[in-house]
Amino acid sequence: GESVGLHLPTLSVQEGDNSIINCAYSNSASDYFIWYKQESGKGPQFIIDIRSNMDKRQGQRVTVLLNKTVKHLSLQIAATQPGDSAVYFCAENTPTYSGAGSYQLTFGKGTKLSVIP
Amino acid sequence: DARVTQTPRHKVTEMGQEVTMRCQPILGHNTVFWYRQTMMQGLELLAYFRNRAPLDDSGMPKDRFSAEMPDATLATLKIQPSEPRDSAVYFCASGPGQGRAKNIQYFGAGTRLSVL
Repeated sequence: GESVGLHLPTLSVQEGDNSIINCAYSNSASDYFIWYKQESGKGPQFIIDIRSNMDKRQGQRVTVLLNKTVKHLSLQIAATQPGDSAVYFCAENTPTYSGAGSYQLTFGKGTKLSVIP
Repeated sequence: DARVTQTPRHKVTEMGQEVTMRCQPILGHNTVFWYRQTMMQGLELLAYFRNRAPLDDSGMPKDRFSAEMPDATLATLKIQPSEPRDSAVYFCASGPGQGRAKNIQYFGAGTRLSVL
């Protein structure tokens, strides 16, 4: 029978081009965001983070943009390489005021990036 | 190179058997998380600990799953009895839990569980 699973959004990009991966987050109270990369057969790997008091943060070949007005996060990868092929997840942290603090991350469903050589 | 270590990497078992998955968090990290990843549900949080105390296990089926931290260098996730629907990849992650990077989680390579 046909298997039913998550239909991940897929982005196909030519090697050397720039990639933009988008994420809509759920909670307007979230104040911290992370992008993770997951290669096949591996665990998610931290790429870059941003706090809600910023709207842009740059790393090596990656830039994260945050638009709190529309609860939108994007990851830009410059000069995409075959090694960038993976599933990319955004994650958000929503603070609590219980005293213990919240360490949980809520993960999005992911976007699959395929790089065409 | 500090990393989260999970064992075993793969486990195949029969329905009804007990399964124990182990995790060694990064030395000095005081938060530990257990996740399950499936094609259907994506990445789901099962339980997490801070300073070895369970903070939230609401994502875990309590009748068959249990999570513990016997000491700061070991976290365990047990399933008893296992069922075919438990087949998934189970990830452990740890985080510093303090400082600017307190919410970053570092993941292990996962345990791929198949219950026949």
